Amino acid sequence: AQSVSQHNHHVILSEAASLELGCNYSYGGTVNLFWYVQYPGQHLQLLLKYFSGDPLVKGIKGFEAEFIKSKFSFNLRKPSVQWSDTAEYFCAVKSLIKAAGNKLTFGGGTRVLVKP
Amino acid sequence: DSGVTQTPKHLITATGQRVTLRCSPRSGDLSVYWYQQSLDQGLQFLIHYYNGEERAKGNILERFSAQQFPDLHSELNLSSLELGDSALYFCASSPPFGGAYNEQFFGPGTRLTVL
Repeated sequence: AQSVSQHNHHVILSEAASLELGCNYSYGGTVNLFWYVQYPGQHLQLLLKYFSGDPLVKGIKGFEAEFIKSKFSFNLRKPSVQWSDTAEYFCAVKSLIKAAGNKLTFGGGTRVLVKP
Repeated sequence: DSGVTQTPKHLITATGQRVTLRCSPRSGDLSVYWYQQSLDQGLQFLIHYYNGEERAKGNILERFSAQQFPDLHSELNLSSLELGDSALYFCASSPPFGGAYNEQFFGPGTRLTVL
């Protein structure tokens, strides 16, 4: 079955530290990849997406992610976090196989706490 | 604000009851998706409608049903509610075609509590 896994369930770090969140997926064929963020009490917001082209994608709020096809990975990075980055981060994958439909399959999420 | 609206924000009900959650997609979007977010199951896809037609089903229980109306708003009906149905229910919408069809915009969610 298709799945998405995020390696870290919880991450605690200090302001100005660098952040890297891992995401691996198991899908055959072409995929679209997404990172969403959910701030406390809020809805999911898109941070960045990869459809095709340059595997290094830049998103909002200084986030970037790298797609490594050979590793089935799409890791999220931010060089220097701020307290306001405290949130839960979700990796999501959409298979472009027609039979899979247009659904997103989400990883389990990573809760990030940034200490001031 | 994504442009996707959901009502109500919160819903508290008892086991065995039936509730209806409502979603209005962004202007111009034809697709509506429903997702359930719970502590034990995480974020799971329930169902997808496109311009009034069901397009895909995920892990949606038989007690749950959905529909999309001609004005494109959608309703998710949950019946014979159980404690385990307590969750945050998100609706998302996406543009009708092209590469942007692949991006989904999420609403604020409805938090359902079953007592």
